Amino acid sequence: GAGVSQSPSNKVTEKGKDVELRCDPISGHTALYWYRQSLGQGLEFLIYFQGNSAPDKSGLPSDRFSAERTGGSVSTLTIQRTQQEDSAVYLCASSLFDRVRIYGYTFGSGTRLTVV
Amino acid sequence: GNSVTQMEGPVTLSEEAFLTINCTYTATGYPSLFWYVQYPGEGLQLLLKATKADDKGSNKGFEATYRKETTSFHLEKGSVQVSDSAVYFCALINAGGTSYGKLTFGQGTILTVHP
Repeated sequence: GAGVSQSPSNKVTEKGKDVELRCDPISGHTALYWYRQSLGQGLEFLIYFQGNSAPDKSGLPSDRFSAERTGGSVSTLTIQRTQQEDSAVYLCASSLFDRVRIYGYTFGSGTRLTVV
Repeated sequence: GNSVTQMEGPVTLSEEAFLTINCTYTATGYPSLFWYVQYPGEGLQLLLKATKADDKGSNKGFEATYRKETTSFHLEKGSVQVSDSAVYFCALINAGGTSYGKLTFGQGTILTVHP
C-alpha cells in the first residue's frame, strides 16, 4: 500500500482481556518495527522484524507481549491479560532494510489502546 | 550504546519567532540523523534527515546540520507559524556491521506557537 496501515485506530479493552493490534507495512518493506508511546513519555522500542524473523525482541516489556509476522508482510502485536499500564499508543513502522540509513522509517498512525 | 538527548520542553514561542531545538547524540561509527514531527492527533512524520557529516537537511523551512565535531543536529527555523505546533523528535540510525538500523529517539520536545 501507499503507507503503513494500522488497525484498529482505537481500542478500549477491559483489564485482563487479550488484544491484537495489526500492522500492514508498505509493500516491499522487509524491515518492520513496533514502538510504544505512553502519555507524556517518549518512544519506546518493542520489537524488530526482518522478513518473518525477529532478531531483536529486547524491548518487549513482559512475556504478556508477543508479535509475529507472516509472509514478510502483515504483523500482529498481541498483549495478553492486559493491564492498565499497557495503555499507550502503539506505533508500527517499516523500511527498506538496505536503505534504512538513507530513508529512515515510515510510521503508521498508531493504535491508541486504553485498558479500563 | 546509542543515545539521543534533546533540549527539554515545552517550548513556547510567538508567531514569526526564531526556533532552535537542540539535539546531541552518542553513537559509534557514522550514524544517520533524523528529525521526526508529530502533529496533534497524528502519527510520526519524517521532517528532515542527514546521512553524513556536514550534510544539511531541510524541509518546510526547517533546517538541521550534521555536526560530527560537536555530535549535534540542532533543528532551526527562522520564522515559526502556529501550524508548526507539534512534538519534535530527534533520532539516529546506526546501521552496518552488526547493527540492523534501530531508530533511537530523543525524548521529544513540545513546541507551542501562539499567534
